[in-house]
Amino acid sequence: GAGVSQSPSNKVTEKGKDVELRCDPISGHTALYWYRQSLGQGLEFLIYFQGNSAPDKSGLPSDRFSAERTGGSVSTLTIQRTQQEDSAVYLCASSLTGGLAGGRDTQYFGPGTRLTVL
Amino acid sequence: AQKITQTQPGMFVQEKEAVTLDCTYDTSDPSYGLFWYKQPSSGEMIFLIYQGSYDQQNATEGRYSLNFQKARKSANLVISASQLGDSAMYFCAMREVYSGAGSYQLTFGKGTKLSVIP
Repeated sequence: GAGVSQSPSNKVTEKGKDVELRCDPISGHTALYWYRQSLGQGLEFLIYFQGNSAPDKSGLPSDRFSAERTGGSVSTLTIQRTQQEDSAVYLCASSLTGGLAGGRDTQYFGPGTRLTVL
Repeated sequence: AQKITQTQPGMFVQEKEAVTLDCTYDTSDPSYGLFWYKQPSSGEMIFLIYQGSYDQQNATEGRYSLNFQKARKSANLVISASQLGDSAMYFCAMREVYSGAGSYQLTFGKGTKLSVIP
């Protein structure tokens, strides 16, 4: 079946602009995650959605970052007033049950969106 | 303290030889899962293998096996019969099951860059 898809694959924007990154999880997966991968920080967790529950936003670095998940499927990560330090690859992942199945709940990743803030 | 430590920033291996990528972890959670992912230059994170903390046997998936030493808190990835296509970044990650908030996110190591030499 289809894997996790993300769009756009690349985004170049000017400092101060807003950007929206989209993630389409694997069909049937109830859990969706956003991570950020940058040279200096490695892979960092940003936010987690499980079904219709309130998301865990504990990893979001500032209030300029927000995310939503509509209809329990597609998710959009929005970064307002982008800064140069926001430049990174933003990875989306989905898993079948999230935290409900104990340790073995494999997260499958999309190809990522490479964000460059000039 | 880092939860996942990968001490080898880069490794070289001759084609057709076996290679071991090191991973040590730190957790007080009795139940956890350990994952290895491969990230080729294209950027997508590809799931390779999973080991649960209560699994009695070391995990194997084709040419990948996991040398799990629970008392030493190590979960080294062994790739047998290396192929040129194995050249990539390899990440070790952990999911702690009973850590409460954040029990669903993966914590990643810094990664090891493997280069397979023909």
